[in-house]
Amino acid sequence: DIQMTQSPSSLSASVGDRVTITCQASQDITNYLNWYQHKPGKAPKLLIYDASNLETGVLSRFSGSGSGTDFTFTISSLQPEDIATYYCQQYDNLPLTFGGGTKVEIK
Amino acid sequence: QVQLVESGGGVVQPGRSLRLSCAASGFTFSYYGIHWVRQAPGKGLEWVAVISYDGSNKYYADSVKGRFTISRDNSKNTLYLEMNSLRAEDTAVYYCAKDVIPYCSGGSCYSYFDYWGQGTLVTVSS
Repeated sequence: DIQMTQSPSSLSASVGDRVTITCQASQDITNYLNWYQHKPGKAPKLLIYDASNLETGVLSRFSGSGSGTDFTFTISSLQPEDIATYYCQQYDNLPLTFGGGTKVEIK
Repeated sequence: QVQLVESGGGVVQPGRSLRLSCAASGFTFSYYGIHWVRQAPGKGLEWVAVISYDGSNKYYADSVKGRFTISRDNSKNTLYLEMNSLRAEDTAVYYCAKDVIPYCSGGSCYSYFDYWGQGTLVTVSS
């Protein structure tokens, strides 16, 4: 199975800050990497697919980059409504696997 | 609009069974593979299983293989998860999620989830 190591597990930042989350795969997954936002009691929401493509309707302050084993997710200017847990997910191989999640809070 | 609505969760004793359902609407259900993903209390997301668009192929996480069975009824636009021999560690919110790729059948074509349900809570406890 492909292990996805996500860091940090949590972070606290101020409104307007740039926030960066990293995800490392245990083997080369090319660009088969997606990012989701999950708020408590809600359905997870796809933000980024194929490492860097913004899902339709998702605000442009969210972005992703990377390939191979190392990936980055960025919120360019943190807003109060961005409080959530963010997950990376690989689809190079079954089983599909997620990173452990990053809980983002407002300082 | 696309909707996925899970049902069937509840409290069940260890070793017993439970069947979850996921009712789909707003898209052509029979074209897409559908997944089950779960989240245990205080934990992250865990992929559980996927069934191909026509039900011919099914894949499972090792943690549920041999105990859980995924199935679908395309005439009713409904997905199922039959859970047997339940354990405390199966306690979680279970989500159904639609795959973005149509007509995906082999294990190498599943990709990402463009729509999710709100989830149904399964609690395994004596």
